[in-house]
Amino acid sequence: SAVISQKPSRDICQRGTSLTIQCQVDSQVTMMFWYRQQPGQSLTLIATANQGSEATYESGFVIDKFPISRPNLTFSTLTVSNMSPEDSSIYLCSVAGGPDTQYFGPGTRLTVL
Amino acid sequence: GQQLNQSPQSMFIQEGEDVSMNCTSSSIFNTWLWYKQDPGEGPVLLIALYKAGELTSNGRLTAQFGITRKDSFLNISASIPSDVGIYFCAGLLPGNNDMRFGAGTRLTVKP
Repeated sequence: SAVISQKPSRDICQRGTSLTIQCQVDSQVTMMFWYRQQPGQSLTLIATANQGSEATYESGFVIDKFPISRPNLTFSTLTVSNMSPEDSSIYLCSVAGGPDTQYFGPGTRLTVL
Repeated sequence: GQQLNQSPQSMFIQEGEDVSMNCTSSSIFNTWLWYKQDPGEGPVLLIALYKAGELTSNGRLTAQFGITRKDSFLNISASIPSDVGIYFCAGLLPGNNDMRFGAGTRLTVKP
């Protein structure tokens, strides 16, 4: 399985600011995903990060709030913009493994004050 | 319709006991996956199931892909303290990488 790292591992941010989370994979992968896990909850898909084109967002998530970059097949970033306390969550990137599996990074724990 | 219903929500068991949890849906899934998440970590894949009726083991863990393709269960035998964590089922919908997650089962093992 791919080795996935995320930076930062955690952060505490002020309301109204933005945070960019990085996801690095040790091998080239076609599909990368970003998830949100609110406290005590399950995982919710934010978007699929597409290499060379705009990310595909799930219902309830928009590019202005969660801009995503995917400059190559091993790296992606998720920005949480204009943060509010409701954005406090764990943000996870994952990659599609084979066959039909996904592997997750360690997550970024975000607290917004 | 595409939601996964995972139960139980939580379990408190004695070390050495067996554990069983399951996920059901009204939708058909092509693949069922079981993950474990430790505090402060991302989910780790435990078992992947690809065919209806498939029964797969990984050490003390056994999981099955339901015949109807709408359900799956995970059993843990002879539980130990390090089994503590949250277990998630996940199903991949036909035709794409659209994965849905159950709400999780929080397992506590008392020594």
